[in-house]
Amino acid sequence: NAGVTQTPKFQVLKTGQSMTLQCAQDMNHNSMYWYRQDPGMGLRLIYYSASEGTTDKGEVPNGYNVSRLNKREFSLRLESAAPSQTSVYFCASSGFSVSNQPQHFGDGTRLSIL
Amino acid sequence: QKEVEQNSGPLSVPEGAIASLNCTYSDRGSQSFFWYRQYSGKSPELIMSIYSNGDKEDGRFTAQLNKASQYVSLLIRDSQPSDSATYLCAVNEKLTFGTGTRLTIIP
Repeated sequence: NAGVTQTPKFQVLKTGQSMTLQCAQDMNHNSMYWYRQDPGMGLRLIYYSASEGTTDKGEVPNGYNVSRLNKREFSLRLESAAPSQTSVYFCASSGFSVSNQPQHFGDGTRLSIL
Repeated sequence: QKEVEQNSGPLSVPEGAIASLNCTYSDRGSQSFFWYRQYSGKSPELIMSIYSNGDKEDGRFTAQLNKASQYVSLLIRDSQPSDSATYLCAVNEKLTFGTGTRLTIIP
């Protein structure tokens, strides 16, 4: 039982390149989330998907797009990477409600933009 | 004012003592509260959830919630070196995390 799986674990990009971070969960959870974590800033929500077919902006959505491909998978895309997007990205999922279920996190993707 | 505030620490506690971590939140209507532990270089892991006023105990951990005063706390009894980590407070209605408190247990 893998829980929440993120790929890749590490990535280095040049400014202006694009890439997609992949996330999949095998817990049959309805809700999925993308966060970024920067030193001293805590976890900040980028986008979330309360259920299959829906996505909503979080606190810091600019420069990102998401796709909820099916119930299991939620991807995050950087169309034109910028150095300010250097961060650790975490995907998470939770059970049946956005508001009252704890979140389970993947291991993270460490992304550097040069 | 930040929606969820924590003292960033570092907080140093002798082994075997009680570690007390605090968190305040701004939205009086919040209903769900969680404490996560994050070791350096790792992802957050859930250690406690609390939804009602009062105390909730799980092993060496006790979460305390006071909605009138808008604070939630985490007590760790008989602190162990393995408890050294950053502890994140989360308020789920807003999907908002505090910046975390770094706890160091001194052997």
